[in-house]
Amino acid sequence: GAVVSQHPSRVICKSGTSVKIECRSLDFQATTMFWYRQFPKKSLMLMATSNEGSKATYEQGVEKDKFLINHASLTLSTLTVTSAHPEDSSFYICSAKTSGLTYEQYFGPGTRLTVT
Amino acid sequence: GQNIDQPTEMTATEGAIVQINCTYQTSGFNGLFWYQQHAGEAPTFLSYNVLDGLEEKGRFSSFLSRSKGYSYLLLKELQMKDSASYLCAVRDRPTGANNLFFGTGTRLTVIP
Repeated sequence: GAVVSQHPSRVICKSGTSVKIECRSLDFQATTMFWYRQFPKKSLMLMATSNEGSKATYEQGVEKDKFLINHASLTLSTLTVTSAHPEDSSFYICSAKTSGLTYEQYFGPGTRLTVT
Repeated sequence: GQNIDQPTEMTATEGAIVQINCTYQTSGFNGLFWYQQHAGEAPTFLSYNVLDGLEEKGRFSSFLSRSKGYSYLLLKELQMKDSASYLCAVRDRPTGANNLFFGTGTRLTVIP
């Protein structure tokens, strides 16, 4: 099946710094990628949808200036958490889908962000 | 807004059958998904329903009633490895956009 990777798998950063998380589709071209965050024992919350070559669409309540998303190629999307604070500590998961009418999303393994 | 409800936790015995319910109220509907997620890992796809009725796939089955805004995931012959969270997700936008909105997930514990 389709494989999606994320890097890094875990990151610890200091408050006020920025962190970049990469999401790659390894064996298919992802025209659309999605970014989710998940708090402990909670479900996934969709943060934004990014389409290759265009601006991301953010969900209500998600600050686009804080969570910068770039989908520069058909195999790579990045999420940058700017000026991170402890409340940004969470599990960030990306997913990807191909073009066309396929309904399935392929999830990456997630990135555990801890802000100290 | 989107509202997707599932029980928070369930416990079942190895070898038994368990049914996990999901009710939803969304502005639109273009399919319902069930995912399995082990702690600290990404969700894995289990099933997809877009029409009313039962979809069977091995030990797992999923049912949908669009008129009732209701779905369930049925797990048969439970195994210890089935202990995980089960996420119900609804796609509410037209085909192609594929945005998914997730319920809070049901944490299933299988006991010997």
